[in-house]
Amino acid sequence: AQSVAQPEDQVNVAEGNPLTVKCTYSVSGNPYLFWYVQYPNRGLQFLLKYITGDNLVKGSYGFEAEFNKSQTSFHLKKPSALVSDSALYFCAVRDIDSSNTGKLIFGQGTTLQVKP
Amino acid sequence: GAGVSQSPRYKVAKRGQDVALRCDPISGHVSLFWYQQALGQGPEFLTYFQNEAQLDKSGLPSDRFFAERPEGSVSTLKIQRTQQEDSAVYLCASSLRGGYSNQPQHFGDGTRLSIL
Repeated sequence: AQSVAQPEDQVNVAEGNPLTVKCTYSVSGNPYLFWYVQYPNRGLQFLLKYITGDNLVKGSYGFEAEFNKSQTSFHLKKPSALVSDSALYFCAVRDIDSSNTGKLIFGQGTTLQVKP
Repeated sequence: GAGVSQSPRYKVAKRGQDVALRCDPISGHVSLFWYQQALGQGPEFLTYFQNEAQLDKSGLPSDRFFAERPEGSVSTLKIQRTQQEDSAVYLCASSLRGGYSNQPQHFGDGTRLSIL
């Protein structure tokens, strides 16, 4: 069965410093991986995806993610954090099953706190 | 607007009542998903529609949950005889194509359901 894990409940970083939010996955076959961000009382906003190709994927708001097949990881990164980046971040993998729906399996989420 | 719209944003019901949650997907989107997000958790898949066809309802927790999308656009999630464990945020998402495509899912802001 497909799964993702986000090992950190919370990540704290100072404004202007680089940030990393970790994600590891377990899939059979080639993974389709996604990062979403959720602000309080809002739905999930799509940040970026990895389907195939370059291991470094660039997305919205200056975020990027590095796909590492040998370590089965897909960590989210940003070179310089902003206070406004403070939110809940979810890693997700597209499920692979016979129903062919493309439903997502989400991690537990990581709260990013950026302090001024 | 151009995004996924859900209504109501908040719903409070007494245990045993029936509730109906509405989702207006992005116009022209073939796929529609419902997810349930418990407090402090990642979203979990409930059901999937491709146009008007419900192709996967494997995530519905019980036969009290029912979803429909009769004309392939607006969808309604209905919960009968609500229980306290049904309290959660219900998220709707849509994507452009059907099946196992690499298109991202676009989420609404959700309906927060509280069962007293």
